[in-house]
Order: sequence, then C-alpha cells, then structure tokens
Amino acid sequence: GESVGLHLPTLSVQEGDNSIINCAYSNSASDYFIWYKQESGKGPQFIIDIRSNMDKRQGQRVTVLLNKTVKHLSLQIAATQPGDSAVYFCAAWGGGNKLTFGTGTQLKVEL
Amino acid sequence: DAGVIQSPRHEVTEMGQEVTLRCKPISGHDYLFWYRQTMMRGLELLIYFNNNVPIDDSGMPEDRFSAKMPNASFSNLKIQPSEPRDSAVYFCASSLAVVDEQFFGPGTRLTVL
Repeated sequence: GESVGLHLPTLSVQEGDNSIINCAYSNSASDYFIWYKQESGKGPQFIIDIRSNMDKRQGQRVTVLLNKTVKHLSLQIAATQPGDSAVYFCAAWGGGNKLTFGTGTQLKVEL
Repeated sequence: DAGVIQSPRHEVTEMGQEVTLRCKPISGHDYLFWYRQTMMRGLELLIYFNNNVPIDDSGMPEDRFSAKMPNASFSNLKIQPSEPRDSAVYFCASSLAVVDEQFFGPGTRLTVL
C-alpha cells in the first residue's frame, strides 16, 4: 500500500516570503503526485502535479520538487500571499489504482 | 462547465435515518470518486467508478454504505442506517483518466445526531 505524510501540521510564514511544504511517501513504485489546496468550506483544488520521470515542475508561483531517492516531494510557493492561506495536501498514485492523500499542512500567512 | 456538483451542501439527520448524497461529475469525465474527510482520518477514498461501473469499493466502511452510478451524469452515495460516526464531509470528484487530476466538488457536510 501507500502512506503519505507531511512533516509539519502547521506552517506560518510572513506575507511575501517563500513557503516550502514537505511531503514523504512510502511506496517506491508511486509514479504520479499531486498537490492540492483546500480552503475552508471548499473541496480540494488542484495546484500542480508531477510524474516520476521528472524531478521538478514549475507553475505560476509554485514549484514542485520530487526526490525519488528519499521518496520526498515538496511544494514551494513564491511570494506567499494571504490568499495562499489554506490546507495543502500531497497525494501519491502508486499501486492499487488509488490516489492516497497525506494528512495536510495548514499554511498561515501573517501580514 | 460548472464543475462537479454535489447536493445537498449540508445534511443534518438523526441516527437510523437513510441519507442520500448526490453528485454530478464534469461532462466527459469517465471516472468518478467518492471520498470522506474527517479530522481524524483525513481524506479517504470510499469507491470509484469507470464509465458508470464500480471499480474499487474497498474503502466503503461497511454494508450500511452503498453507491451507484446509473448514468454518466449522476451518482449517489447512500447510508442506511446512518450513525453518528458517519458525520463527515463527503466529496465527489471526477477525472478524465484514472491517473490524472481529480476535480472535486464542494462537498456535503453530513451531521448525524
């Protein structure tokens, strides 16, 4: 099976700083990873994904890094804004045709 | 497209009652997923469908839970009888492929008293 965990339950950053949210996964066969953002009272919203044949992917203000050697991925948010405040989940796809979600990190942006 | 639509948004019921949650996936998406989210257990996959056929229901907690997808535009999740421990937010999601971005609905917050 697959288990996905995040290193910190809560991350507080100052507005304008960069945020880094980390995630570890257990199944070395996992080959597809997604980061989701969930705001209060809403469903998870796709941010960015990465497949195992890549180690980095960039979007608008976000970058995902994948280190398959240590089974770790991270989400970097540049110039964090108040609107980035939310819970961030990583999810991994590997074995069993299921997307396994981590427990989530609450990102708090301080003004 | 309006995205994934779920109804109702909130449901409060008493223990023992039947609960029906509804979902309309994004048009053209062949996969539909039902998730349950709680503080204790996070997001859990309950069941998913491909082209209206249930593929994996191993996440369904027990026989009190059932899900159907009678056509490509609709799915429901039923709990009968409901229990207080079923209280959670239930999400429906759809995707084009099984290994692909899943689009989530706004969820149904279920409270069983």
